[in-house]
Amino acid sequence: KNEVEQSPQNLTAQEGEFITINCSYSVGISALHWLQQHPGGGIVSLFMLSSGKKKHGRLIATINIQEKHSSLHITASHPRDSAVYICAVDPHFGNEKLTFGTGTRLTIIP
Amino acid sequence: DTEVTQTPKHLVMGMTNKKSLKCEQHMGHRAMYWYKQKAKKPPELMFVYSYEKLSINESVPSRFSPECPNSSLLNLHLHALQPEDSALYLCASSHRTGQRYGYTFGSGTRLTVV
Repeated sequence: KNEVEQSPQNLTAQEGEFITINCSYSVGISALHWLQQHPGGGIVSLFMLSSGKKKHGRLIATINIQEKHSSLHITASHPRDSAVYICAVDPHFGNEKLTFGTGTRLTIIP
Repeated sequence: DTEVTQTPKHLVMGMTNKKSLKCEQHMGHRAMYWYKQKAKKPPELMFVYSYEKLSINESVPSRFSPECPNSSLLNLHLHALQPEDSALYLCASSHRTGQRYGYTFGSGTRLTVV
């Protein structure tokens, strides 16, 4: 079974700061997902990564397959970025079950 | 259309009621999923449909009954629920189960059982 750990569990920062959220997993995977969930809301898929780096607006996601580690970065953070960020791993293509991390609760103070 | 649409957004039901949750996508995805999420916890997989056939049932009680009438629609029929079933129910879809490209979640139905 894949163990997925996220750090930090909670993060509070000032508007404009550069944010990094980390995700580590124990077993080799085929892909990793970064998800965003606002309080009381549904989930938005931000990235799906198999290797390297992806960028969308102010969000950047990287993955190091050898080290079994991924990071989500937010540049020029804004209060609307306040949400829970969840990483989820796909153990193998063909396996139908994602394994989720417990999430990082991000609060950006104006 | 790049969305998964869930209705209703909120539902309050009694323990003797029968209700249904609906999920719809028009992205051509052939895998659809039901998740249950309790407060401050990650989502827990309930069911997976692949090409309109149930492929995974995560030992979910029979008071939850999924249905996939066509490739765009996924229902979750609820009957005789318990208060502990109160949660956010999320639907998701992806290209296929073996290639989870375009994994997209709906905004969820917040269910309260009274």
